[in-house]
Amino acid sequence: NAGVTQTPKFRVLKTGQSMTLLCAQDMNHEYMYWYRQDPGMGLRLIHYSVGEGTTAKGEVPDGYNVSRLKKQNFLLGLESAAPSQTSVYFCASSYSGGTTEAFFGQGTRLTVV
Amino acid sequence: AQSVSQHNHHVILSEAASLELGCNYSYGGTVNLFWYVQYPGQHLQLLLKYFSGDPLVKGIKGFEAEFIKSKFSFNLRKPSVQWSDTAEYFCAVSNSGSARQLTFGSGTQLTVLP
Repeated sequence: NAGVTQTPKFRVLKTGQSMTLLCAQDMNHEYMYWYRQDPGMGLRLIHYSVGEGTTAKGEVPDGYNVSRLKKQNFLLGLESAAPSQTSVYFCASSYSGGTTEAFFGQGTRLTVV
Repeated sequence: AQSVSQHNHHVILSEAASLELGCNYSYGGTVNLFWYVQYPGQHLQLLLKYFSGDPLVKGIKGFEAEFIKSKFSFNLRKPSVQWSDTAEYFCAVSNSGSARQLTFGSGTQLTVLP
């Protein structure tokens, strides 16, 4: 049982490049989330999804887009990377939103130079 | 909108010392409260959670937390810490509204000296 899997684990981008982070969960969870973790700021919600085909903005959505075409996958895209997007990105999923435990992936360390 | 404050950014303790990490939230409605732990190089894991009922909840590894509604607080405690408790601890809150977003505090880095 893999839980929540994120790919890639590390990535270095040049300013202006684009990339997609993939999150896959095998627990049949409805809710999926993308967070970024920065020193001293905790985890901030970028986007989330309450089910297949749905997405919504979180606290810091600017510069990111997401898609949830399949229930098990939640993609985070950066169209034109900026140094301010250097961060560790975590994907999470839960069965029914904030009332149940969220399971987290191992994280993706992204550096934009 | 809900928010979470963790006032202790870095706590350093010796083994066997007692621990209390503060967490305060702001939200006017019904909340669900969580403590997550992140060990070095690992992902976040759930320590304990409070939804309703007994305000004193017990979690894994000897941790417990007390929900005090009048103070909007959910402090984490452990009577005697171990070196292996060195980690970053995050308090989180969700509401019972339709969005059900998990909002995290800024985290507290706990260092336990052997």
